[in-house]
Amino acid sequence: AQTVTQSQPEMSVQEAETVTLSCTYDTSENNYYLFWYKQPPSRQMILVIRQEAYKQQNATENRFSVNFQKAAKSFSLKISDSQLGDTAMYFCAFMTSGGSNYKLTFGKGTLLTVNP
Amino acid sequence: DAMVIQNPRYQVTQFGKPVTLSCSQTLNHNVMYWYQQKSSQAPKLLFHYYDKDFNNEADTPDNFQSRRPNTSFCFLDIRSPGLGDAAMYLCATSRDLSGAYEQYFGPGTRLTVT
Repeated sequence: AQTVTQSQPEMSVQEAETVTLSCTYDTSENNYYLFWYKQPPSRQMILVIRQEAYKQQNATENRFSVNFQKAAKSFSLKISDSQLGDTAMYFCAFMTSGGSNYKLTFGKGTLLTVNP
Repeated sequence: DAMVIQNPRYQVTQFGKPVTLSCSQTLNHNVMYWYQQKSSQAPKLLFHYYDKDFNNEADTPDNFQSRRPNTSFCFLDIRSPGLGDAAMYLCATSRDLSGAYEQYFGPGTRLTVT
């Protein structure tokens, strides 16, 4: 079974600063997807960034980038130039590629607060 | 503009009184999911539909049922809610099951059981 661990229940950062959220996972699969989802207060969860395990290049979406270390099973999210609107719960998630395992396995989340 | 709509946003029911939560989508996606998210916890998949095919997670209690009368709508029925069923219920959709396809989430229905 796959597990996803987010070791930081809460974090805070000053506006315009950079913050990194940690995520580790455990799997015996070789092909899979990793995701970071953002859940703002009282709003729906949205996908921030996705990484395919077979791609060595780290995914980037504007101010969001990941550091994917496959051998270490680590998948951290870096948010640059933090904005007040980045305040949210961030979930790291995992899904195997192919087969019948369709399920997103989420970590417990990291509550990020961006302070003015 | 809304893509995944959940009604109601807040639902209060009594212990043991059946309740139905609704989800609709404008994306014409094949897959619809129901997640349960308890306070300060990760979302937990209850079941999903691929088109009309229903797939239940092994640890989903029998108390939870689902219906998908057409592509656009999916319902979550809780036959006899207990206090432990109080949670946020999230509906999500995706074009297909693979991780190559993004899951789009609705805003959730917060269920309170009194």
